[in-house]
Amino acid sequence: GIQVEQSPPDLILQEGANSTLRCNFSDSVNNLQWFHQNPWGQLINLFYIPSGTKQNGRLSATTVATERYSLLYISSSQTTDSGVYFCAVDTGGFKTIFGAGTRLFVKA
Amino acid sequence: DGGITQSPKYLFRKEGQNVTLSCEQNLNHDAMYWYRQDPGQGLRLIYYSQIVNDFQKGDIAEGYSVSREKKESFPLTVTSAQKNPTAFYLCASRREGQETQYFGPGTRLLVL
Repeated sequence: GIQVEQSPPDLILQEGANSTLRCNFSDSVNNLQWFHQNPWGQLINLFYIPSGTKQNGRLSATTVATERYSLLYISSSQTTDSGVYFCAVDTGGFKTIFGAGTRLFVKA
Repeated sequence: DGGITQSPKYLFRKEGQNVTLSCEQNLNHDAMYWYRQDPGQGLRLIYYSQIVNDFQKGDIAEGYSVSREKKESFPLTVTSAQKNPTAFYLCASRREGQETQYFGPGTRLLVL
């Protein structure tokens, strides 16, 4: 089946710093999503981005489907950005495959 | 409020005991999912259901069972056959034609 790899696995930032998270996938996908899991376990969808670029405030994402990767950019990081960021892909149908996540800690 | 609810928030299971985790949604979503998350790991799919009275196994279905008798409800039973059930369990739903999944707050299961 399709493999989803995220990097880096862990990231520590000083508040105000910028960062880039990467998601590589091993096959063509119909759908790609980025999620944020807060320290209490709640997952929130950040972007649905099978291709192209989207921006939402300090966050933006780019997916290059032909090269099978997606990037999540966090600018001017805040302590509330801490948590785990997951990339998830669909190859068709209703089944979704998640990467292992990038664990982000933003220091005040 | 519209959303997905899971109960209980914490659950303790004794050896050899079956337990059932509840997942309810009032979003009128067609598809519902159960995922397992182990500490420091990503989410793994246990079961999913696209319509009422139909469900499919995910990647780690052994030791689990589900039912989908109503559109809004998708309970997960962790049976005694699941030898390592301690984990965080997340339920999600999605409307047909939409790509975004919405997640519940999760249930933490601990074996005593």
